[in-house]
Amino acid sequence: NAGVTQTPKFRILKIGQSMTLQCTQDMNHNYMYWYRQDPGMGLKLIYYSVGAGITDKGEVPNGYNVSRSTTEDFPLRLELAAPSQTSVYFCASSYMVLDQPQHFGDGTRLSIL
Amino acid sequence: AQSVSQHNHHVILSEAASLELGCNYSYGGTVNLFWYVQYPGQHLQLLLKYFSGDPLVKGIKGFEAEFIKSKFSFNLRKPSVQWSDTAEYFCAVTGRGGSQGNLIFGKGTKLSVKP
Repeated sequence: NAGVTQTPKFRILKIGQSMTLQCTQDMNHNYMYWYRQDPGMGLKLIYYSVGAGITDKGEVPNGYNVSRSTTEDFPLRLELAAPSQTSVYFCASSYMVLDQPQHFGDGTRLSIL
Repeated sequence: AQSVSQHNHHVILSEAASLELGCNYSYGGTVNLFWYVQYPGQHLQLLLKYFSGDPLVKGIKGFEAEFIKSKFSFNLRKPSVQWSDTAEYFCAVTGRGGSQGNLIFGKGTKLSVKP
């Protein structure tokens, strides 16, 4: 049972480069989320999706974009990488809003140099 | 503004000591409350959750938390900690119902248990 799978696990980018963080879940969850975790700051919600074709901004969406073309996949795109985006990124999913994120991926550690 | 405050940044205990981690929230309306744990190098895992009913909820690994509505608190407790409880603990809150899927996290409390 794979759960929530994130790729890559680690990545180093140069300032101004772009990349896509991949997230896929095999639990048929409707809700998917992207968080960033910075030391001493807890998790901040970047974007979330309540179903295929529907996305919405979280607390810190600037500099990121998402899409949700299928129930399974929820990629996060950085168009112009900046040092402030150095962080650990977690994708999560849940079946319904009251259930809230209970299934997290292993994270992607991203460094922008 | 919606927020979650965790009072302690780093707690250091010896094995068998009792644990209480504080969590206070600011959120309008009815809430759902959660405690998550993140073991070193791992992703977050749900420890316990409160939606409604008995304000004393029991989670995995002997943890429990008490929801005190009048104090806007949801403190995490464990009678006797083990070295394996060394981890970072996050309190989180979200509003009940609606379409918002926004889980607000506290900044976390790092627990170090000395053997």
